[in-house]
Amino acid sequence: QVQLVQSGAEMKKPGASVKVSCKASGYSFTGYYIHWVRQAPGQGLEWMGWINPNSGGTKYAQKFQGRVTMTRDTSTRTGYMELSRLRSDDTAVYYCARDLLPTEVTPGYFQHWGQGTLVTVSS
Amino acid sequence: EIVLTQSPATLSLSPGERATLSCRASQSVSSYLAWYQQKPGQAPRLLIYDASNRATGIPARFSGSGSGTDFTLTISSLEPEDFAVYYCQQRSIWPRVTFGGGTKVEIK
Repeated sequence: QVQLVQSGAEMKKPGASVKVSCKASGYSFTGYYIHWVRQAPGQGLEWMGWINPNSGGTKYAQKFQGRVTMTRDTSTRTGYMELSRLRSDDTAVYYCARDLLPTEVTPGYFQHWGQGTLVTVSS
Repeated sequence: EIVLTQSPATLSLSPGERATLSCRASQSVSSYLAWYQQKPGQAPRLLIYDASNRATGIPARFSGSGSGTDFTLTISSLEPEDFAVYYCQQRSIWPRVTFGGGTKVEIK
């Protein structure tokens, strides 16, 4: 079955960077987009961007342009999301999610989700 | 950016009742709309995509309808496990994805 297992909780100081991993299993890793979505405490869902694990191509939400980098390692079937210049309002649970449809089809729905990684930014 | 407005913010119902949740888009998203369910401490779960298609394993009591700017998620008869927060999400203006603010369905 499809599984996405994320790295553990992180505590960072303002101005630092964080890198969250998402290890995939149970499907063709290069066949589906991986998205990153975050959720601040008590708030709604916010899409951050995606990576095409086949090509390495990325697209980021405008809000995160210049601060976020999404990468992947096909040998270990792992996606990564790095967020830099952290602020207190970046405190959130960060989720990776696999798209519903294969990369040949226009993506944009999130069928399988990781368990989430809490990133806390505090001085 | 397309803004999705969900209403009501909170819906108080009893088990067995029918739930009707609304999602309105600031401009047409055609049928490129999904619904998710999220319970406390859990990741969201895809319920409906392309406005009316149930995702794999989703019970038939969940149904979606609408197109353009107005969409509805209906839960025909609430089960105890259905009390949760529901989000709509559009992918019409790809690659820009947006979510609505959510509707909480609580036990009356």
